[in-house]
Amino acid sequence: SQELEQSPQSLIVQEGKNLTINCTSSKTLYGLYWYKQKYGEGLIFLMMLQKGGEEKSHEKITAKLDEKKQQSSLHITASQPSHAGIYLCGAVPFNAGNNRKLIWGLGTSLAVNP
Amino acid sequence: DVKVTQSSRYLVKRTGEKVFLECVQDMDHENMFWYRQDPGLGLRLIYFSYDVKMKEKGDIPEGYSVSREKKERFSLILESASTNQTSMYLCASSYTGTGGYFGPGTRLTVT
Repeated sequence: SQELEQSPQSLIVQEGKNLTINCTSSKTLYGLYWYKQKYGEGLIFLMMLQKGGEEKSHEKITAKLDEKKQQSSLHITASQPSHAGIYLCGAVPFNAGNNRKLIWGLGTSLAVNP
Repeated sequence: DVKVTQSSRYLVKRTGEKVFLECVQDMDHENMFWYRQDPGLGLRLIYFSYDVKMKEKGDIPEGYSVSREKKERFSLILESASTNQTSMYLCASSYTGTGGYFGPGTRLTVT
């Protein structure tokens, strides 16, 4: 089973609508990272969350990490076609032997219809 | 800006050929990673390196080897390419305890 569960697997929204993507772990996390990937390209780093309850925003994207550091949500306000792509969460488990390796979700594919 | 570059965006090789994929980062990161990405399977770690000449196997190292002779450069080697190694290969670098910065990816096709 996947160590990081992402939901939904895919999402189609109308331009201007808000949306939320979730990333859940069964283990407490040392840190959680959100990336965006355009089809056929590399991953672009969006945000890093390390403290329980932390919230960060960049333009119209807001990410939160819950107090238990096991779940994160990524919220996009007033979506635009430029937001389309695959969103991936990666994380370092808190009790990992070394904290160099990330575990990954399978990604959420987002399409925004004009 | 952090920059991670990969030697090729697209590569087509024949079965049995030796393939070299190179990755260079300019942020003096100690950690470097090679992943492959396949539909439905997500990102899978092949190898990573936490220092020059040091390497550790990831989740799927079979059929691959790596080399890190300089801190900024991490090479992935397919000793004898096979069709099941057709994939998107992504390189990343990071400081310990942080997420990684990724290169643009190399889409390798083995025929």
